[in-house]
Amino acid sequence: DVKVTQSSRYLVKRTGEKVFLECVQDMDHENMFWYRQDPGLGLRLIYFSYDVKMKEKGDIPEGYSVSREKKERFSLILESASTNQTSMYLCASSPIRGLYRSSYEQYFGPGTRLTVT
Amino acid sequence: SQQGEEDPQALSIQEGENATMNCSYKTSINNLQWYRQNSGRGLVHLILIRSNEREKHSGRLRVTLDTSKKSSSLLITASRAADTASYFCATTRVRGGSNYKLTFGKGTLLTVNP
Repeated sequence: DVKVTQSSRYLVKRTGEKVFLECVQDMDHENMFWYRQDPGLGLRLIYFSYDVKMKEKGDIPEGYSVSREKKERFSLILESASTNQTSMYLCASSPIRGLYRSSYEQYFGPGTRLTVT
Repeated sequence: SQQGEEDPQALSIQEGENATMNCSYKTSINNLQWYRQNSGRGLVHLILIRSNEREKHSGRLRVTLDTSKKSSSLLITASRAADTASYFCATTRVRGGSNYKLTFGKGTLLTVNP
């Protein structure tokens, strides 16, 4: 079974702190993703990575950065946490297949509920 | 922008009944996927249907896709209390952006009462 783990289930940080959220997958997937999930807004893509050191902005990248130094690990960084970044953060990974390297099913971690006070 | 939109937003049924959820989308897609999320947890992939497929089954799940109407439905037969969860559809687009990305709808909250 694919396993995606996230470093913390719950996290409380203060405004202005630098926050690191870590995600590790054990299935050698090329793609990794960070989403945030908010009531009434659904899942929104922050960043994704299709290879080591490669990244692409998602729909809401402002205030976030990412790092992928190893294939199995994808980190989300909040440079200076703000209260509007209080949310559930979900990491996912997926394999790619086929000539057009299409994305298929995504495997999610359990989520990190971040509160910024 | 949100690609998939689920309908209804919430659905409450009795155990043993069937549950049907719908999803509409706006642009052409490569595939459409359905996910389940139990309260406060990560999402679990349920089923994927490609744009050239019309129907797919997996256990008690049946998914249909109508690309002319840009819509899909998820049917859960003989529902159980353990099916209580939020259900999301997600699409990958044909062009205009990466093939890697999924765009999720806001979900349908299904409650199955014992």
